[in-house]
Amino acid sequence: QVQLVQSGAEVKKPGASVKVSCEASGYTFTYYFIHWVRQAPGQGLEWMGWINPNSGGTLYAQEFQGRVTMTRDTSISTAYIELSGLRSDDTAVYYCARGGDPPTNADDWGQGTTVTVSS
Amino acid sequence: SHELTQPPSVSVSPGQTARITCSGDALTKQFVFWYKKKAGQAHVLIMYRDSQRPSGISERFSGSSSGTTVTLTISGVQAEDEAVYYCQSAGIYNTPWVFGGGTKLTVL
Repeated sequence: QVQLVQSGAEVKKPGASVKVSCEASGYTFTYYFIHWVRQAPGQGLEWMGWINPNSGGTLYAQEFQGRVTMTRDTSISTAYIELSGLRSDDTAVYYCARGGDPPTNADDWGQGTTVTVSS
Repeated sequence: SHELTQPPSVSVSPGQTARITCSGDALTKQFVFWYKKKAGQAHVLIMYRDSQRPSGISERFSGSSSGTTVTLTISGVQAEDEAVYYCQSAGIYNTPWVFGGGTKLTVL
């Protein structure tokens, strides 16, 4: 079955960077887009962007342009999101999700990674 | 980008029908997708392209679209349906996803 296993919780100071991983199994990694979505405490879901694991091509939400980088390592079926210049309002649960082509939605989700930004 | 509006909460008794709406101007041109989120569990896709049910999803779940509003209908609501439901839309390529604020379904 499809599994997306994310890395563990992180605590970072303002201004630092965080990198979260998403290890995929149960399907051919390069056949599906990986999306990243976050949810701040008490807030709704916020889409951050996607990466095409086959080509490495990315699309980032405008709100995160210049601060976010999505990459992948096809040899270990793992996608990454790195967010720099962390602020307190980046405190959130970060989810990876798998979706088909065209990249209009997610078919499966990871369990989420809590990132806390605090001085 | 556009916005999607959902009611914050819906409450129904077991066996009744729950209807959760998702409204937005872009929905005349974009499909809606619905996700169910229960505490401690991953999000689950329960409806795609307004009214298509993925395999494994109960027939009690259905979707419909009219103008700028898409509706998720849950018939014969059961305790296990209690969750937060999110709608989401997107264009085909190079367009951002937009989520509704989520609707907390409470089974009385």
